[in-house]
Amino acid sequence: LAKTTQPISMDSYEGQEVNITCSHNNIATNDYITWYQQFPSQGPRFIIQGYKTKVTNEVASLFIPADRKSSTLSLPRVSLSDTAVYYCLVGDDGGFQKLVFGTGTRLLVSP
Amino acid sequence: GAGVSQSPRYKVTKRGQDVTLRCDPISSHATLYWYQQALGQGPEFLTYFNYEAQPDKSGLPSDRFSAERPEGSISTLTIQRTEQRDSAMYRCASSLVLAGVGDPTGELFFGEGSRLTVL
Repeated sequence: LAKTTQPISMDSYEGQEVNITCSHNNIATNDYITWYQQFPSQGPRFIIQGYKTKVTNEVASLFIPADRKSSTLSLPRVSLSDTAVYYCLVGDDGGFQKLVFGTGTRLLVSP
Repeated sequence: GAGVSQSPRYKVTKRGQDVTLRCDPISSHATLYWYQQALGQGPEFLTYFNYEAQPDKSGLPSDRFSAERPEGSISTLTIQRTEQRDSAMYRCASSLVLAGVGDPTGELFFGEGSRLTVL
């Protein structure tokens, strides 16, 4: 079972870089790692996805070590609007469509 | 449509009644998912469709829950004989294609959700 473990919560200040690490020791060979963001009263929103090494887009970077047993979402220069819950997902039991969200990491960004 | 649309946004019902929730996915999307989200928790997988086929319904909590997508577009989630523990946000999501083994799972686009309250 490809279970993920994330910190329950994190605090940061505006302008800082935030790194959220997710552990997924039982990740399957074919599984991709995906991160979603969820604001209160909204559905989750896709942030970034990767398989190995590093992926970067306009909002975040995703670092995946060679063993793929963990991944780190990096948010550069966070703002108040980045306060949200962040979910790390991998496929479940190789069932790549059955994405399991877990409880996520609540990020609070303060002025 | 431009985004995933769900209705009703809010539903209050009495225990024992049946409820049906509707999801209208993005028009070009083949795959549709249903999730249940309790307050303060992450979304939990219920079932998904690839066009009209329903390959996985292992997440449905009991046989009181069923879902359909008869024409491969709009989907409904029906809960029969509702119980108070069914109270939750029900979220629908769609994605462009069904990923193959070893493919990226792709981006899921979520709707606003339907909040169900069972009294």
